[in-house]
Amino acid sequence: GNSVTQMEGPVTLSEEAFLTINCTYTATGYPSLFWYVQYPGEGLQLLLKATKADDKGSNKGFEATYRKETTSFHLEKGSVQVSDSAVYFCALLTGANNLFFGTGTRLTVIP
Amino acid sequence: EAGVTQFPSHSVIEKGQTVTLRCDPISGHDNLYWYRRVMGKEIKFLLHFVKESKQDESGMPNNRFLAERTGGTYSTLKVQPAELEDSGVYFCASSQELKDSPLHFGNGTRLTVT
Repeated sequence: GNSVTQMEGPVTLSEEAFLTINCTYTATGYPSLFWYVQYPGEGLQLLLKATKADDKGSNKGFEATYRKETTSFHLEKGSVQVSDSAVYFCALLTGANNLFFGTGTRLTVIP
Repeated sequence: EAGVTQFPSHSVIEKGQTVTLRCDPISGHDNLYWYRRVMGKEIKFLLHFVKESKQDESGMPNNRFLAERTGGTYSTLKVQPAELEDSGVYFCASSQELKDSPLHFGNGTRLTVT
């Protein structure tokens, strides 16, 4: 079946620290992979995506590389800011156009 | 352009009562989706409309949930009668074409059943 497993939170970091949020997936076929972010009081927003193996998605200083060999799509940022505090969701899109989400990881960045 | 809007933003009801959630997608978006996140768990797919037709309702938990999309515009999700385990955040999303365009999510409706 299809599923996404992501790092449990919450994660608390100091400003300018390095961030990694792990995400692994199980899927039939060749899914597209996404990271969505939910800032406080807002809806989900697409942060970045990768549609095939070895693709790297990037946006706002965040990056994630589609690793087929390890079935992973870990989210990284070299230097987090207070404004990055949010809940991050890893997701995969199957060929049948169904989105499967992980449980979400809450990130809090302190000054 | 206006985004996906959901109403109400919060709802607190008692077990056994009825609640109706509403979603207004982005104008012109044929695809409309409902998702739910129970506290601390993953966001789960409920159903998918293409215009007014239910394309996939495999995620609907049981027959206490009824979704409609009359005229292919806004959608409602009714829970009747509500149970404690229905508490969570209900997200609506819309898109024109999923593969090339991201889903646009609303802010969600937080439902609390007491």
